[in-house]
Amino acid sequence: KAGVTQTPRYLIKTRGQQVTLSCSPISGHRSVSWYQQTPGQGLQFLFEYFSETQRNKGNFPGRFSGRQFSNSRSEMNVSTLELGDSALYLCASSLNRQENNNSPLHFGNGTRLTVT
Amino acid sequence: GENVEQHPSTLSVQEGDSAVIKCTYSDSASNYFPWYKQELGKGPQLIIDIRSNVGEKKDQRIAVTLNKTAKHFSLHITETQPEDSAVYFCAPRQFTGGGNKLTFGTGTQLKVEL
Repeated sequence: KAGVTQTPRYLIKTRGQQVTLSCSPISGHRSVSWYQQTPGQGLQFLFEYFSETQRNKGNFPGRFSGRQFSNSRSEMNVSTLELGDSALYLCASSLNRQENNNSPLHFGNGTRLTVT
Repeated sequence: GENVEQHPSTLSVQEGDSAVIKCTYSDSASNYFPWYKQELGKGPQLIIDIRSNVGEKKDQRIAVTLNKTAKHFSLHITETQPEDSAVYFCAPRQFTGGGNKLTFGTGTQLKVEL
């Protein structure tokens, strides 16, 4: 079974631009979560989607947004990029056979975003 | 929300020695305790987990122990090998409800020296 796939692996953008990152979860997984990883702040939760609906949101500004498609694939978007948005963005999928029962997270290898 | 502390932040051991990493949490409702391993250039991978109805779980060279009263759990790695070198994270949470909004510990950089 293929793992969680994130594209692209690396991305360089300029301040003020916007960026879209993509995540394909493990087949059959219904939940997709996004995390930001930086040396200073560690791993921080961005948001989670389940059955195309956002059901959890972290403490990030509105410039960070996401969505999930009917095939469970997910995208996250960051608008008006700032230097501080430089980070590794990780996507994780989870089976969650029943909506309220949490399952282990399976992470992709991330997208490394550099903002100059 | 959950407050998670992890110690030590860095750990250097000789190959063959044991390593122990401790995770302390604040939310008494937490009942699921996983450990993740992140190798360079990769995402975190679940290596072992435990539910609150169990005090200890072992899988070959790794084990997790839980002290629910004191609200901490630990990762034990025995007979360490160079491939154990990585960053380890804990992420305690509730097994039911709350979704997958995890609070991760700050990570422990383990270095196994030859």
